[in-house]
Amino acid sequence: DAGVTQSPTHLIKTRGQQVTLRCSPKSGHDTVSWYQQALGQGPQFIFQYYEEEERQRGNFPDRFSGHQFPNYSSELNVNALLLGDSALYLCASSLAGLNEQFFGPGTRLTVL
Amino acid sequence: AQSVSQHNHHVILSEAASLELGCNYSYGGTVNLFWYVQYPGQHLQLLLKYFSGDPLVKGIKGFEAEFIKSKFSFNLRKPSVQWSDTAEYFCAVILMDSNYQLIWGAGTKLIIKP
Repeated sequence: DAGVTQSPTHLIKTRGQQVTLRCSPKSGHDTVSWYQQALGQGPQFIFQYYEEEERQRGNFPDRFSGHQFPNYSSELNVNALLLGDSALYLCASSLAGLNEQFFGPGTRLTVL
Repeated sequence: AQSVSQHNHHVILSEAASLELGCNYSYGGTVNLFWYVQYPGQHLQLLLKYFSGDPLVKGIKGFEAEFIKSKFSFNLRKPSVQWSDTAEYFCAVILMDSNYQLIWGAGTKLIIKP
């Protein structure tokens, strides 16, 4: 049983570009949450998807958007990248969003 | 605004010492509580959780935590730490009456000296 997988592992972009990160949840999970983790800090909640809808959102600008597909996989899109968007982006899956979350290895995004 | 506070950002202990990491949250409603751990180079993983019932919960690797509702606390404990417990520990809280918001603490880096 595969756990949560994320792609790509690492990504380097320049300011102003757009990026798409991908996540496949653990088998049987229907909820995907995305987090941004800056160096030395805890995960900051970006948003959560359930039944292909954004169920809740953290304090992130509209440049951050997402999508959930019928197979529960999810994408995180960030437009107009800023230097401050450099971070580890974590995807976590859960069942209905109320229980423990299982995390993927993350995508390390560097914006130059 | 609701928040989760972890009192110590860095903790250094010797092997066999006892551990207690503090976690307090600011929210008066119903909560689900979690401690996650991130070992060097590894994913975040669940250490233990509290939903209801016995406020003393036991997790993996000898860790336990006690939910004290009156103090809004969920402190993590281990009687005798090992070098392999070196990791970063995060407390997280789901606000059950507030659209299930999940709020994280900033983390505590624990270093165990052999």
